[in-house]
Amino acid sequence: DAGITQSPRHKVTETGTPVTLRCHQTENHRYMYWYRQDPGHGLRLIHYSYGVKDTDKGEVSDGYSVSRSKTEDFLLTLESATSSQTSVYFCAISEFPTGEEAFFGQGTRLTVV
Amino acid sequence: AQTVTQSQPEMSVQEAETVTLSCTYDTSESDYYLFWYKQPPSRQMILVIRQEAYKQQNATENRFSVNFQKAAKSFSLKISDSQLGDAAMYFCAYRGMYSGGGADGLTFGKGTHLIIQP
Repeated sequence: DAGITQSPRHKVTETGTPVTLRCHQTENHRYMYWYRQDPGHGLRLIHYSYGVKDTDKGEVSDGYSVSRSKTEDFLLTLESATSSQTSVYFCAISEFPTGEEAFFGQGTRLTVV
Repeated sequence: AQTVTQSQPEMSVQEAETVTLSCTYDTSESDYYLFWYKQPPSRQMILVIRQEAYKQQNATENRFSVNFQKAAKSFSLKISDSQLGDAAMYFCAYRGMYSGGGADGLTFGKGTHLIIQP
């Protein structure tokens, strides 16, 4: 199994509070991604990174920011959590930007109350 | 933008039988990759099978095979000799061959919930 660890695995937070999810990899892959999974929507790309300090927006980036200060860590921040951000969040990694399959973390279930 | 459509929200099959999950996609690219991922109740995303668009031969992995019809933009997954452990959500996903200056990630369908009847 690819070495990807997401933390925390579960979190409940209140509306308006900041939340940071962490993705840590031990594979030294260049590309890292954050997806959210909601019923009836599959997985949708939030943000991705193609190197240290190199990030870009995905399909559903509003309300989220990311940072990558080290190859192994990719952080997803909800500056002010809203109930619409209740979801399961997945981190993924890949060595190449296209073609190669992505390897996924175990997911983080975030509930905003 | 690419889109991936899975028209079957749920499928049910008897153990040991064969089931086919449907997937269609829309893209203007000529080179790309297609994947089927399995998500069991554990929530882990597991790669089942992968197909390169430039390959005419359909990919096969043990009991899993695909029917890739490039002109029709169709990519179905056939599971033979279904087992209880195959019960899961199955997602079809697309990934382009060429990205514009960065990685664009995977585009997923909404998933098909596969039930295995003992």
